[in-house]
Order: sequence, then structure tokens, then C-alpha cells
Amino acid sequence: AQSVAQPEDQVNVAEGNPLTVKCTYSVSGNPYLFWYVQYPNRGLQFLLKYITGDNLVKGSYGFEAEFNKSQTSFHLKKPSALVSDSALYFCAVRDMIRDDKIIFGKGTRLHILP
Amino acid sequence: EPEVTQTPSHQVTQMGQEVILRCVPISNHLYFYWYRQILGQKVEFLVSFYNNEISEKSEIFDDQFSVERPDGSNFTLKIRSTKLEDSAMYFCASSVGLADTGELFFGEGSRLTVL
Repeated sequence: AQSVAQPEDQVNVAEGNPLTVKCTYSVSGNPYLFWYVQYPNRGLQFLLKYITGDNLVKGSYGFEAEFNKSQTSFHLKKPSALVSDSALYFCAVRDMIRDDKIIFGKGTRLHILP
Repeated sequence: EPEVTQTPSHQVTQMGQEVILRCVPISNHLYFYWYRQILGQKVEFLVSFYNNEISEKSEIFDDQFSVERPDGSNFTLKIRSTKLEDSAMYFCASSVGLADTGELFFGEGSRLTVL
């Protein structure tokens, strides 16, 4: 069965600094990988995805993520954080072999300090 | 931009009562899902639905839960006899289908409070 681990409950970053939110995954086949963001009292919004091809994928709001197959990781990054990036971030995986659901990690709360 | 809509936004019910949460997925989507989130924490998969039948369900989705698509547009989640631990935010989601990359589009959620 597929699973996702987000080792950090919370990440604090000063505005303007680079940020990284960590994610590792486990699937039986090749993964589809996703990042979603949730703002307070809202649903989840899609940020970016990795399906195949270039290991560095770019998404919404200047975010990017790097797929590392050997480390089974898909860390979310942004070169320069904004206060408005403060939110709850979820990494997610869909197993390409059995792909009728997406499994989410427990979420990482990102605080950008002004 | 098309979106997934959910009603009600908040429902309060007494333990043991039946609850129906409603969702209107994006019109050309073929796969439908329910997830739940307790206290703003982990988002848990409940059930996926395709071609008018359940595609997959989690351990959470026991006999008290059911889903249906009664009229080709609405997608409903029914909890027959609610328990205190059913209190959560329930999210409906949809996706185009297996042929695509599978990203989900979520509604804003229905908050269920069981007293």
C-alpha cells in the first residue's frame, strides 16, 4: 500500500528566505506525486505534480518540487518565501499500478515570519 | 473556472441521527471521492466512486457510510447513525479520470459536528 511521510509538523521561515517542506513516499510501482495547499477554512488546492520526465517540477505561486527516486523524496521548495505562503501543505501520492485514489501525508504547517 | 461545490457548509446533528452531505462535482469529471479531515490535521481517504459504483473504500468507510449519485450531477455521502467521532470536515473531490494525471479538485468542505 502506498504511504506518504511528512516528517515536520511545522516549518518556520523568515520572509525572503528559501523554504523547503519535506516529503518521502512509498509505493509498489511508479508514483504520481502531488503537493496541495490548504488555507484556513478552505479546501485543498493543487500546487504541482510529478508524473514523469524532468525531476524538477514547477507549480503555482513560484513553488517547485524535486523528485528524487533513489531517496523516494519529493520535497517542496521556494527560493524566496512570502508571508502569504503561510498555510498547511500536504504531500500526496497516487500509485500508478492501483491509481484510483490519492493518499495524503499528515501535513506540514508553514509559518513565514515577517 | 469550474469548481466542486458542497452543501451544507456546516451541519450540527445529534448522535445517532442520519446525515447526508451533498456535492456537485465538476461536470466532465468521471471519478468522485470523499475525504475527511479531523481538527485540521491529516486528510483521510474514505471512498472513490466511478461508473456508478464504489471503486475503492478505506477501513473508515464501514456499513454506516454510503455514497450514491442519484441524478447524474449530485454525489452524496450518507452517514446512517452518526457517532461523536464522525465530527470532522468532509471534502468532496473529483478528477477527470484514469487517463489523465489524476489531480483532484476539492470542494470547500462540509463541517459536521456530532453532539
